[in-house]
Amino acid sequence: EPEVTQTPSHQVTQMGQEVILRCVPISNHLYFYWYRQILGQKVEFLVSFYNNEISEKSEIFDDQFSVERPDGSNFTLKIRSTKLEDSAMYFCASKSSGRGTGELFFGEGSRLTVL
Amino acid sequence: AQTVTQSQPEMSVQEAETVTLSCTYDTSESDYYLFWYKQPPSRQMILVIRQEAYKQQNATENRFSVNFQKAAKSFSLKISDSQLGDAAMYFCAIINTGTASKLTFGTGTRLQVTL
Repeated sequence: EPEVTQTPSHQVTQMGQEVILRCVPISNHLYFYWYRQILGQKVEFLVSFYNNEISEKSEIFDDQFSVERPDGSNFTLKIRSTKLEDSAMYFCASKSSGRGTGELFFGEGSRLTVL
Repeated sequence: AQTVTQSQPEMSVQEAETVTLSCTYDTSESDYYLFWYKQPPSRQMILVIRQEAYKQQNATENRFSVNFQKAAKSFSLKISDSQLGDAAMYFCAIINTGTASKLTFGTGTRLQVTL
């Protein structure tokens, strides 16, 4: 069964360092998302991406964040200068084209720990 | 803007018994999907059940069923014959049927299953 894969599963970094989280969405999906879940809290929307551009972003997604689909398969989230409060689980998701079923397929997440 | 409210931070059920998790939502859209996602300790978000807003019939997936009350904007999840493997965080979520819409989650309900 097709699935969304994310790497790394866990990354530890020092405050101020750049981090890139990688995702490989399901191959025929066209809509891509990043969500964040701080430990014990709700899953929060960060950004959606379609047709090589950002469709929507939340207030969390400030200038420190960027997304890219560099090669037609990977979908990356970059945090330029990490802060302690960026420590969270980051989930990538993808959705098939059009109305469909509306279902987002999630990866297993990347846990980011900022020290 | 859409909002999802889960008023039960934690619930407990005995094995083989039935439990109902509550969810209310708010949206200005007339066409949308509602979901229940399960997040076990392994952390991946797994779709449990989906409901299209235009369908009056409540969705059912094996031991999982919903009580969808569109006028009241209520979408509860019933788990019958609870099993130890049902223990997880359960998130209620809503998405518009627009193509690039984002999924909005509630704060989650942690379900414990006891012997």
